[in-house]
Amino acid sequence: KAGVTQTPRYLIKTRGQQVTLSCSPISGHRSVSWYQQTPGQGLQFLFEYFSETQRNKGNFPGRFSGRQFSNSRSEMNVSTLELGDSALYLCASSLGRAFTDTQYFGPGTRLTVL
Amino acid sequence: SQQGEEDPQALSIQEGENATMNCSYKTSINNLQWYRQNSGRGLVHLILIRSNEREKHSGRLRVTLDTSKKSSSLLITASRAADTASYFCATDGTGSQGNLIFGKGTKLSVKP
Repeated sequence: KAGVTQTPRYLIKTRGQQVTLSCSPISGHRSVSWYQQTPGQGLQFLFEYFSETQRNKGNFPGRFSGRQFSNSRSEMNVSTLELGDSALYLCASSLGRAFTDTQYFGPGTRLTVL
Repeated sequence: SQQGEEDPQALSIQEGENATMNCSYKTSINNLQWYRQNSGRGLVHLILIRSNEREKHSGRLRVTLDTSKKSSSLLITASRAADTASYFCATDGTGSQGNLIFGKGTKLSVKP
């Protein structure tokens, strides 16, 4: 089975712009979770989508949003980018809900905001 | 907020030695997972241990869980240079709203 794929792998944006990141889960997986990883804060949970519904959301401002399509592919969007949004964004998929099943991570998208 | 806290933050050993990393958490859990991350890449799942289990093995990995002390340990035996990575524990935690909460990780360096 193909693993979790994320596109693009690298992205450079300027403050105030918006960005959309994409995640394709492992075939058959219904849950997709998104995480932000920074040296200072570590891995922080953004949100989880399961069967096209957002099931959980972390403590991030409304500028961070996401969605999941019927084929389980997911996108996350960050609007009005700030310097502090520079991070590695990881998505993970699992068969069932994220807190009960093993999560399989993609390679991440490294976002740099200038 | 961090649920799991790994200890030590960094560990440097020689190839062939054993490496032990510890994780402490605050609230009761349903399961605890260990992940490995190679330098800025995605995480790789190592082991999931449920709250009613005390020990699990996978190859050179051994994980223990002590729910009375709210702690877990990951032992890597006969370490190799390829084990150099950051290791994270993640818990669900009853207060986590059902998402995984990761610790800040232990950075393991295995010198050849």
